[in-house]
Amino acid sequence: SQTIHQWPATLVQPVGSPLSLECTVEGTSNPNLYWYRQAAGRGLQLLFYSVGIGQISSEVPQNLSASRPQDRQFILSSKKLLLSDSGFYLCAWSLGGNTIYFGEGSWLTVV
Amino acid sequence: GNSVTQMEGPVTLSEEAFLTINCTYTATGYPSLFWYVQYPGEGLQLLLKATKADDKGSNKGFEATYRKETTSFHLEKGSVQVSDSAVYFCALLINTGTASKLTFGTGTRLQVTL
Repeated sequence: SQTIHQWPATLVQPVGSPLSLECTVEGTSNPNLYWYRQAAGRGLQLLFYSVGIGQISSEVPQNLSASRPQDRQFILSSKKLLLSDSGFYLCAWSLGGNTIYFGEGSWLTVV
Repeated sequence: GNSVTQMEGPVTLSEEAFLTINCTYTATGYPSLFWYVQYPGEGLQLLLKATKADDKGSNKGFEATYRKETTSFHLEKGSVQVSDSAVYFCALLINTGTASKLTFGTGTRLQVTL
């Protein structure tokens, strides 16, 4: 069966520091991969999605970037964090345009 | 554009009460509809789904029916438990041809008390 893991689960970072969140999917090949953010008091917002290695689509302009160096690996990064980057980040995957499954999430607090 | 509207919470119920969380949508094309649940401090779990009109999704005692005529996908449970306390998200999925994208409602917090 397929599983998805993301880490770290929780992190507290100072303003201006870099960020790297990593997500891997096991048990499948060539999944579509997604990064969502859930900010306090707001809904879930799609940040990036990827349909293949090196293929990244950005949904909203922001201080973040994403990369997909391997088929089942998806990384969310920032060079300099802002306070407004705080939130709950969720990695997700799907196959063939069907159901989307989420990871456990990463809590980011920028101080 | 695509959008999902959920009833605002929080919803507070006593254990064994009947639950309804309303969800309506606007979409171009023919979306699939989903309910996800988020327990405190955790990620989103798929609760149930329906892929076409009149389909009924069900899981763990929860049900929702895809109503195209009213563009709705209301979540129901006949008898809630304290362990059902969570945030529930209604969502629609449109396959754009490159990647499917979920559009979420704002979520409804359910609190069940003894």
